[in-house]
Amino acid sequence: GQNIDQPTEMTATEGAIVQINCTYQTSGFNGLFWYQQHAGEAPTFLSYNVLDGLEEKGRFSSFLSRSKGYSYLLLKELQMKDSASYLCAVIPRGSTLGRLYFGRGTQLTVWP
Amino acid sequence: DGGITQSPKYLFRKEGQNVTLSCEQNLNHDAMYWYRQDPGQGLRLIYYSQIVNDFQKGDIAEGYSVSREKKESFPLTVTSAQKNPTAFYLCASNDGGASNEQFFGPGTRLTVL
Repeated sequence: GQNIDQPTEMTATEGAIVQINCTYQTSGFNGLFWYQQHAGEAPTFLSYNVLDGLEEKGRFSSFLSRSKGYSYLLLKELQMKDSASYLCAVIPRGSTLGRLYFGRGTQLTVWP
Repeated sequence: DGGITQSPKYLFRKEGQNVTLSCEQNLNHDAMYWYRQDPGQGLRLIYYSQIVNDFQKGDIAEGYSVSREKKESFPLTVTSAQKNPTAFYLCASNDGGASNEQFFGPGTRLTVL
């Protein structure tokens, strides 16, 4: 099976920086997604990493190390609206038409 | 605008009744997926379909059924055999391209009384 692990909860204050980690053990690897999900809403796409390294997109950055089976999502200049669940999802090698395997999500609470 | 629609947003049913959740997409995507989400849990795959008239079981298919008669539509039936059907149900689609991104509908919250 596929094993994807991320912390259950994190808290931070407005304006701070937070790093959400994700480790995975899958049958090969084709790519890793980060999604943001506000309570009761659909997940929205944040990033997609295929190669090692850091990809920056505004206040959000995502890092991948394939050799370590490790990724993190970095959120800078936190805002109250960043309070949400952050989902890590992996596409194993040979996955049928983009089937994703999701972690349990990290619930981030941003305090004023 | 292109997207995925799910209706209704909230659905209530009595125990023992079958209920069908709708999912429609106008993105011209071949692949469609149904996920279930419980509090504090990630998304768990129920069924997925790569093409019209074809679908495969995901990790938690027991008590559910689907059909894929049209490319745009992938309805999910929650049967009375599903022991704990109360959950948030999400439908998604994927164009099968290099991005592999899945696009999600707004979800249906099903409560079985």
